[in-house]
Amino acid sequence: SQQGEEDPQALSIQEGENATMNCSYKTSINNLQWYRQNSGRGLVHLILIRSNEREKHSGRLRVTLDTSKKSSSLLITASRAADTASYFCATPSGDMRFGAGTRLTVKP
Amino acid sequence: GAGVSQTPSNKVTEKGKYVELRCDPISGHTALYWYRQSLGQGPEFLIYFQGTGAADDSGLPNDRFFAVRPEGSVSTLKIQRTERGDSAVYLCASSLERELTQYFGPGTRLTVL
Repeated sequence: SQQGEEDPQALSIQEGENATMNCSYKTSINNLQWYRQNSGRGLVHLILIRSNEREKHSGRLRVTLDTSKKSSSLLITASRAADTASYFCATPSGDMRFGAGTRLTVKP
Repeated sequence: GAGVSQTPSNKVTEKGKYVELRCDPISGHTALYWYRQSLGQGPEFLIYFQGTGAADDSGLPNDRFFAVRPEGSVSTLKIQRTERGDSAVYLCASSLERELTQYFGPGTRLTVL
């Protein structure tokens, strides 16, 4: 079964705009992680937010976590064409469960 | 340092054949994960090792799939009597400890004809 579910499934924006993706999960967590996957193979870890954190920043990335609503959001500011990728949230509970991802397209 | 490596990068086989996919995790990482990913989908969890033992194999779809990690480092995913539906990219990841950041390999693209 999948734990993280991303929304929207697809997002298309112009370069320079901000992109917001949401993630919902079902069970209690210790942390939530966001990953990016360019067309091709492996996933790249972006950011980990712990259950006692509400917000975390890394460069142009901002992640929020609301454990009461079991949801998280990933904001990419000042998007670039190179940000075009699929983005996944994942919640570890020994193993790691991924959602289907948000496919982000940033048009130059 | 070296990341997670997977071999082969591509594997084409015929229906009914046996295949082995190999994963070399980052040195010192105790946790190792196998996923498979179909086009347009997220990674689907298969199995998770903590050290040499399979801590959770609930994602293995059936008994044709088996994985080992005999010395707590390299892992092999074994698929018997392959079926066309097994075609996917098989991803391996490792982490220093369970629930921490996972580092993914480039994957093995398996095609069953």
